[in-house]
Amino acid sequence: EAEVAQSPRYKITEKSQAVAFWCDPISGHATLYWYRQILGQGPELLVQFQDESVVDDSQLPKDRFSAERLKGVDSTLKIQPAELGDSAMYLCASRDELSSYNEQFFGPGTRLTVL
Amino acid sequence: SQQGEEDPQALSIQEGENATMNCSYKTSINNLQWYRQNSGRGLVHLILIRSNEREKHSGRLRVTLDTSKKSSSLLITASRAADTASYFCATSYGQNFVFGPGTRLSVLP
Repeated sequence: EAEVAQSPRYKITEKSQAVAFWCDPISGHATLYWYRQILGQGPELLVQFQDESVVDDSQLPKDRFSAERLKGVDSTLKIQPAELGDSAMYLCASRDELSSYNEQFFGPGTRLTVL
Repeated sequence: SQQGEEDPQALSIQEGENATMNCSYKTSINNLQWYRQNSGRGLVHLILIRSNEREKHSGRLRVTLDTSKKSSSLLITASRAADTASYFCATSYGQNFVFGPGTRLSVLP
C-alpha cells in the first residue's frame, strides 16, 4: 500500500542550528501539506503545496522557516536557525485532489528536539 | 485559532464500553473528518461526513453531524484496548483543513 515517507524520524539539534526535513508523498498526489504538532495539541498547518506552487503559507514563520517542492513531487522543510520553541512533531500529508473522498494521508512524522 | 474543538480532552473507559467524543466548530464547512493518532505516530483517517449528511457508519464507528449546532460526534462501540489513541476532528472548507486539539482515549483491559 502506498505511503507518505518522511525522514528523518527523529532529529535532535542545538538552538541556532539549521535542520531540514524531507517528505515524499504518495505518487500522483498533487497536494502536499506540512503540519507542526506540539505535544498534546492538534496539527497546525504550516504550508500547503499544489504541485510545485505554494497555496497557503500564511502560518509559516518565514523569518526562519522555508519550504520547497521544486519538481512538484517530494518536499523539504527547513528551519534556520532553530529555536527551543520549535521542538515538535513535523507531519507531512498528501491528498489526491481528484478524489471525491478528500482524505489526507499522513506520514509518520519527524520528531524534532531543540536543545 | 483552531476551528474544531474536541470534548472531552481525555476519556478513560473499560474495554467493551462505548466511547463518545464531540467536536464543535465555528464556521461553515464542506465536510468534517475524524482522524486517529497513536502515540508518536502520524494521523490515520477514520471517516468523513459531508455537510449534507447527518450520520455515517464504518464498522464500529458512528459519526453524526449537526450543522445547525455546528457540532459532530464520534461514537466507538465495543471499545478495545487497541482503540487507545488520540482522536482529532478536522473541518474542511475548500482545500484547507483545520484540526482540533484532540481527545485522548484510554481503553483499559
